[in-house]
Amino acid sequence: EPEVTQTPSHQVTQMGQEVILRCVPISNHLYFYWYRQILGQKVEFLVSFYNNEISEKSEIFDDQFSVERPDGSNFTLKIRSTKLEDSAMYFCASTAMGDTQYFGPGTRLTVL
Amino acid sequence: QQQVKQSPQSLIVQKGGISIINCAYENTAFDYFPWYQQFPGKGPALLIAIRPDVSEKKEGRFTISFNKSAKQFSLHIMDSQPGDSATYFCASSGATNKLIFGTGTLLAVQP
Repeated sequence: EPEVTQTPSHQVTQMGQEVILRCVPISNHLYFYWYRQILGQKVEFLVSFYNNEISEKSEIFDDQFSVERPDGSNFTLKIRSTKLEDSAMYFCASTAMGDTQYFGPGTRLTVL
Repeated sequence: QQQVKQSPQSLIVQKGGISIINCAYENTAFDYFPWYQQFPGKGPALLIAIRPDVSEKKEGRFTISFNKSAKQFSLHIMDSQPGDSATYFCASSGATNKLIFGTGTLLAVQP
């Protein structure tokens, strides 16, 4: 069964550094999302992406964040200058027609 | 208007019992209500979902009950098993398809 994959599984970085989290959505899917989950808390929407542009973003998704689909398979989330409070699990999700979202296993980001 | 409230925060059920988790939403524009199951260290996995044109949907041991007038929906897990022990999240979405998640319920099924 096709699945969403994410790399790396765990990323440790120093505060102020840039990180890029990578996702490979399911191949025929058209809508892509990033969510984050701070330890022990609920999953929060960050951004949605369709037709090579951002469809919607939350107030969390400020100027430090950006997303890109550099080729036909990858979907990336970049944090330009990480803060301590960016430490969380980041999940990528994709869907074919905008209904059922399939989540990847997540990347645990630790900012020191 | 974007909140989804979920209860209880945690739940302990004996093997074979019924687990019931409740959610309430505020935005009447929401039209898709999924439940996700999450095991430690894993991403959320879709369990079952419902749209407001039906009041109940059943898939195996899992049933969603939906009350549109009360803006509430619930997950029932029949014959709960130790393998069902996980965190369960309800969610809601509307036209933009972004999922608004509840706060989660940690379910422990005791053997």
